[in-house]
Amino acid sequence: DIQMTQSPSSLSASVGDTVTITCRASQSISSYLNWYQQKPGKVPNLLIYGASNLQSGVPSRFSGSESGTDFTLTISSLQPEDFATYYCQQSYSAPLTFGGGTKVEIK
Amino acid sequence: EVQLVESGGGLVQPGGSLRLSCAASGFTFSSHWMNWVRQAPGKGLEWVANIKTDGSQTYSVDSVKGRFTISRDNAKNSLYLQMNSLRAEDTAVYYCARGGRYCSGDTCRLYFDYWGQGTLVTVSS
Repeated sequence: DIQMTQSPSSLSASVGDTVTITCRASQSISSYLNWYQQKPGKVPNLLIYGASNLQSGVPSRFSGSESGTDFTLTISSLQPEDFATYYCQQSYSAPLTFGGGTKVEIK
Repeated sequence: EVQLVESGGGLVQPGGSLRLSCAASGFTFSSHWMNWVRQAPGKGLEWVANIKTDGSQTYSVDSVKGRFTISRDNAKNSLYLQMNSLRAEDTAVYYCARGGRYCSGDTCRLYFDYWGQGTLVTVSS
């Protein structure tokens, strides 16, 4: 199985900050990496697919990049509605696996 | 508007069975892979199983193999998860999620672009 290691597991940031979340795959997954946002008590929401493709309707302050087996989600100019938990997920091979999540909290 | 509505969750004793359903609308159901994803209370997301557009291929996580069966009825726009031999560790909110496709060259893979609201399964005596 492909393991997805997310870091950090949590972070504190202020409105307006730039936040970076990293996800490392245990083996090559090409660009088959997706990012989701989940707010407390809510359903997960797709942000980025294929490592860097912004899902329709998602604000452009969210971006994704890759370098080998390392993937990054960047949130530029953090907004109050961005405080949530973020998950990466690989779709290269079954079983499809998620990272452990990164909780973004208000500083 | 895409809608996915799960049903069938509830309280069940260890070793018992449940059948979850997901009613889909607002899109061509038969054109999409479909997935079940679960989330234990206070925990992260775990993909459970998926099924190809025509039901000819299914995949699942090892922890449910031999116990859970995913199926679909394209005529009824419905997805199912038959869960047998339930264990306490199966307690979770179960989400139905539509598979969107991302293609790079000749290879396509999935992402979960629409999710239902989830149905809670509690396995406890």
